[in-house]
Amino acid sequence: NAGVTQTPKFRVLKTGQSMTLLCAQDMNHEYMYWYRQDPGMGLRLIHYSVGEGTTAKGEVPDGYNVSRLKKQNFLLGLESAAPSQTSVYFCASSYRTGVNQPQHFGDGTRLSIL
Amino acid sequence: AQSVSQHNHHVILSEAASLELGCNYSYGGTVNLFWYVQYPGQHLQLLLKYFSGDPLVKGIKGFEAEFIKSKFSFNLRKPSVQWSDTAEYFCAVNARNTGFQKLVFGTGTRLLVSP
Repeated sequence: NAGVTQTPKFRVLKTGQSMTLLCAQDMNHEYMYWYRQDPGMGLRLIHYSVGEGTTAKGEVPDGYNVSRLKKQNFLLGLESAAPSQTSVYFCASSYRTGVNQPQHFGDGTRLSIL
Repeated sequence: AQSVSQHNHHVILSEAASLELGCNYSYGGTVNLFWYVQYPGQHLQLLLKYFSGDPLVKGIKGFEAEFIKSKFSFNLRKPSVQWSDTAEYFCAVNARNTGFQKLVFGTGTRLLVSP
């Protein structure tokens, strides 16, 4: 049971480059989320999805785009990377039924923008 | 808007010491409350959760938390910590009327347990 899998685990980019982070879950969860984790700031929600084909902005969406073409996958894109996007990115997923379902997290992607 | 405050950013304890980490939230409605733990180099894992009923909830690895509605608090406790409890701990809240589990996290408390 893999749970939530994020690829890649590490990446270094130059300013202005683009890349896509992939999140895959095998638990048939309806909801998926992308967070960024920065020192002293906890986790902040970037974008989320309540189902296949739907996405919505979270707390800090600027500079990011997402897509949920398949239920099990949630992609986070950086069109033109900036040093301020250096962070650890976590994907999470949860069931839709009830708002009390815990979120399951991936291992994170450490991204550095030079 | 909801917010979560974790006042202790860094805590250093010796093994066998008792632990209490503070968590306060600001939201006037009904909430669900969570504590997550992140061990070094690992992803966040659910430690315990409160939805309703007994305000004292027990989680994994001997942790417990008490929901005090009048104080808007959900403090995490453990009677005797171990070196393996060294980790970062996050309190999180979601408002039940959102119809969606949009968690708001605190900034985290980094716990170091010395052997």
